[in-house]
Amino acid sequence: AQKVTQAQTEISVVEKEDVTLDCVYETRDTTYYLFWYKQPPSGELVFLIRRNSFDEQNEISGRYSWNFQKSTSSFNFTITASQVVDSAVYFCALRLGNNNDMRFGAGTRLTVKP
Amino acid sequence: DAGVIQSPRHEVTEMGQEVTLRCKPISGHDYLFWYRQTMMRGLELLIYFNNNVPIDDSGMPEDRFSAKMPNASFSTLKIQPSEPRDSAVYFCASTARWGANSNQPQHFGDGTRLSIL
Repeated sequence: AQKVTQAQTEISVVEKEDVTLDCVYETRDTTYYLFWYKQPPSGELVFLIRRNSFDEQNEISGRYSWNFQKSTSSFNFTITASQVVDSAVYFCALRLGNNNDMRFGAGTRLTVKP
Repeated sequence: DAGVIQSPRHEVTEMGQEVTLRCKPISGHDYLFWYRQTMMRGLELLIYFNNNVPIDDSGMPEDRFSAKMPNASFSTLKIQPSEPRDSAVYFCASTARWGANSNQPQHFGDGTRLSIL
C-alpha cells in the first residue's frame, strides 16, 4: 500500500520568513517516485519537482529546496524568504515504480502575508 | 509549447443535465488522466488512457460517468445525468511516459470547476 501524509493542513507566515512543508510517505517498494505540485489560488496544478527513490541528493532551485530522507520516509519542501506569490496549496505525491497509480497527499495551504 | 488545455473553465448546470468536459493533452504525450478534486476526498484519479485506449477506469464513481479519447489530441469526460454531489474541480493531465519505472511527471490543465445545482 502507498500513502502520503501532509500533516500540516494550513501554515501562515509573514513575508520573508522561511517555511518548511512536511511530507511523509509510506511504501514497501524500493523503487518509487516523489513529486511536489503547487496549486495557486487560480486553481491550476503546477509541477515543481520529482525525486527518484535511488537519488537522495537534495535539490535547490532558487528559493525552493527539497530534503529527501529515506531513513525517515520524508520529502520536505522549504521555501526561503517567502513571498506573497508563494501563497498556494502544495501537494506531495507518491508513485510506485511498478504501479500506475499516483497518490496525492491532502495538501498544505500556505498563506504568506505581506 | 502549449500545456494541457481544458474547457470550459467553469460550468454551472442544473441537476439532471448532461455535462461534457473537454481536454487537449500536450502534443506527443501518450498518456492522459482525468482527476476529480473535492474538499472531502482531495485529488482522485478517475480514469487514464494510453494511446487513446482506456487502461484503468476503476476510479470512475458510477455508470453516470464516461470518458472517451477518440484521437491523440482530444478527450471528453461526460456525466449523464449530473447530480449535485458531482460538483468538484475536474483536472486533465498528460505525460509522455507512464510505464513501469518511468519518473515522468504529469502535467495538469487548469481544471474545470463544475457546479451542479
